[in-house]
Amino acid sequence: NAGVTQTPKFQVLKTGQSMTLQCAQDMNHEYMSWYRQDPGMGLRLIHYSVGAGITDQGEVPNGYNVSRSTTEDFPLRLLSAAPSQTSVYFCASSHPDRESYEQYFGPGTRLTVT
Amino acid sequence: KNQVEQSPQSLIILEGKNCTLQCNYTVSPFSNLRWYKQDTGRGPVSLTIMTFSENTKSNGRYTATLDADTKQSSLHITASQLSDSASYICVVSAFGQGEKLTFGTGTRLTIIP
Repeated sequence: NAGVTQTPKFQVLKTGQSMTLQCAQDMNHEYMSWYRQDPGMGLRLIHYSVGAGITDQGEVPNGYNVSRSTTEDFPLRLLSAAPSQTSVYFCASSHPDRESYEQYFGPGTRLTVT
Repeated sequence: KNQVEQSPQSLIILEGKNCTLQCNYTVSPFSNLRWYKQDTGRGPVSLTIMTFSENTKSNGRYTATLDADTKQSSLHITASQLSDSASYICVVSAFGQGEKLTFGTGTRLTIIP
């Protein structure tokens, strides 16, 4: 199993550009999430999905869109990049087991917006 | 609002020594508490997950404790190794909030030979 994979690993965008961060998992996990990690702050939830066709907003959803057409893939779209979106983005997946389940994180995408 | 505070922010110890990292949390109603290890440039990796009924859990040289009354947790690392150099993140989850975890800012641990 490859686990959770993310592409690209690094990306530089100019303000106003759009792009999609890719996330895939091969563990047949129902739950998938996107986080951003900024210096001096804990990981913050952007969007999450509890299954194919179901998505919901997290703590910091503005400026981002997601969709979940398959169990395996959960792409994150930046609609119009802004310098405030410079961050490291992590995708995670998990299998629901009532209230206690383990999340598996991808290696991250480091995004810089100039 | 759910909150997690970790201390110290950073710690440097000699290889082979033990250390303890602290986590204070506010979450209601409490579901579980996790400790993650995050190596530089990588995603977090789970070390332990504890529910309210567990007060100690070990994973090799890592031992986590949980005091639900005082809302405190600690992560004890025994006989530290150079590979233990990483950030250690405390995360709490509330019942009914599923994926909406609350992450601490982490303790940056550096092991020196």
